[in-house]
Amino acid sequence: DAKTTQPNSMESNEEEPVHLPCNHSTISGTDYIHWYRQLPSQGPEYVIHGLTSNVNNRMASLAIAEDRKSSTLILHRATLRDAAVYYCIRVGGSQGNLIFGKGTKLSVKP
Amino acid sequence: NAGVTQTPKFRILKIGQSMTLQCTQDMNHNYMYWYRQDPGMGLKLIYYSVGAGITDKGEVPNGYNVSRSTTEDFPLRLELAAPSQTSVYFCASRGTPRTYEQYFGPGTRLTVT
Repeated sequence: DAKTTQPNSMESNEEEPVHLPCNHSTISGTDYIHWYRQLPSQGPEYVIHGLTSNVNNRMASLAIAEDRKSSTLILHRATLRDAAVYYCIRVGGSQGNLIFGKGTKLSVKP
Repeated sequence: NAGVTQTPKFRILKIGQSMTLQCTQDMNHNYMYWYRQDPGMGLKLIYYSVGAGITDKGEVPNGYNVSRSTTEDFPLRLELAAPSQTSVYFCASRGTPRTYEQYFGPGTRLTVT
């Protein structure tokens, strides 16, 4: 069963870039890599997803290794509101089911 | 648009009681999901539906039932509540097979004592 591995926690200073790593060495060649985040006492929210190429959107950037065994979510300027648990997720099956690990808890210091 | 709404926000049940967690989405999404989240853990899939009248089990379906009579609603039924079902329950929806983004509701915090 393909799994994703993330550090349990990370710290960042406000207005500095944050690089959140994820290892997914057993991901299949056609599985997209998804990132969601969960703010305290809220449901998860979609951040970004990609397959092979690096991706950018208004929230973050996703850098995917050439061998697809790892990826990095980049928050370009962390704010206090970015403090959350960030999940690197693989999608299970054709029904789009999200398979969550424990995620990385990001703390942002002012 | 309200997105995905869930009721109630909080509930305390006694062991052996039953209840229904409500989930409604106003985005005309075909796909709907129920997850549970235990303290300090990621979410686990309980049941999902790919359209009205079609449901299937996820990773942890035991002790739960679902139905999908309309596109908008996807209620989760707990029969004979047990302390192991103490958790936060999230409902989510997704539009089409080609869209990957799931939209989550605010959750229902359930305690079984």
